[in-house]
Amino acid sequence: KNEVEQSPQNLTAQEGEFITINCSYSVGISALHWLQQHPGGGIVSLFMLSSGKKKHGRLIATINIQEKHSSLHITASHPRDSAVYICAVEGGTGNQFYFGTGTSLTVIP
Amino acid sequence: EAGVVQSPRYKIIEKKQPVAFWCNPISGHNTLYWYLQNLGQGPELLIRYENEEAVDDSQLPKDRFSAERLKGVDSTLKIQPAELGDSAVYLCASSSQGSNSPLHFGNGTRLTVT
Repeated sequence: KNEVEQSPQNLTAQEGEFITINCSYSVGISALHWLQQHPGGGIVSLFMLSSGKKKHGRLIATINIQEKHSSLHITASHPRDSAVYICAVEGGTGNQFYFGTGTSLTVIP
Repeated sequence: EAGVVQSPRYKIIEKKQPVAFWCNPISGHNTLYWYLQNLGQGPELLIRYENEEAVDDSQLPKDRFSAERLKGVDSTLKIQPAELGDSAVYLCASSSQGSNSPLHFGNGTRLTVT
């Protein structure tokens, strides 16, 4: 049983397209994190949110606590956005981290 | 600020050999995590430290894996003996004390066991 489910698993988009990655979770949380991992690279924290919406450049993250759902949006996608995007929630028993398996995004020029 | 530093970046060993990984967290971060990540999967927790205390090591295979965080700063993760199935990326992450703090990851150590 996965506490965090992401969709889609893989996503290919044309440069300029609007992209949405979804995350659903089943545990009570204190915070939700969106992470980015480039091939062969480390993991970078994009957002940490516990309610509402956050925006950073072309990236927007939203969370609906009642529905236990979060979305990561990328506007005007660019090939450099190609990476794996991981949703992680902080909560559950012992306030630990639960990770999704990631969404592999490829943006084609 | 300097990020989480891990070494080595890559390690190739034969099975049954020992191996050790090192992590230097961000200065002032009390919480340190070791994760294992297989290809196409999300990170899986091995152990979590609050200062020098291991507060969650329930997922650490203690027959072959060990970790320490002396003085509550740097940490080492050891595997002895390594098995073929241990091939993975070993990630170290740190955060400041308390919940709702961003996680900062190192670049990881990619281990290949032959």
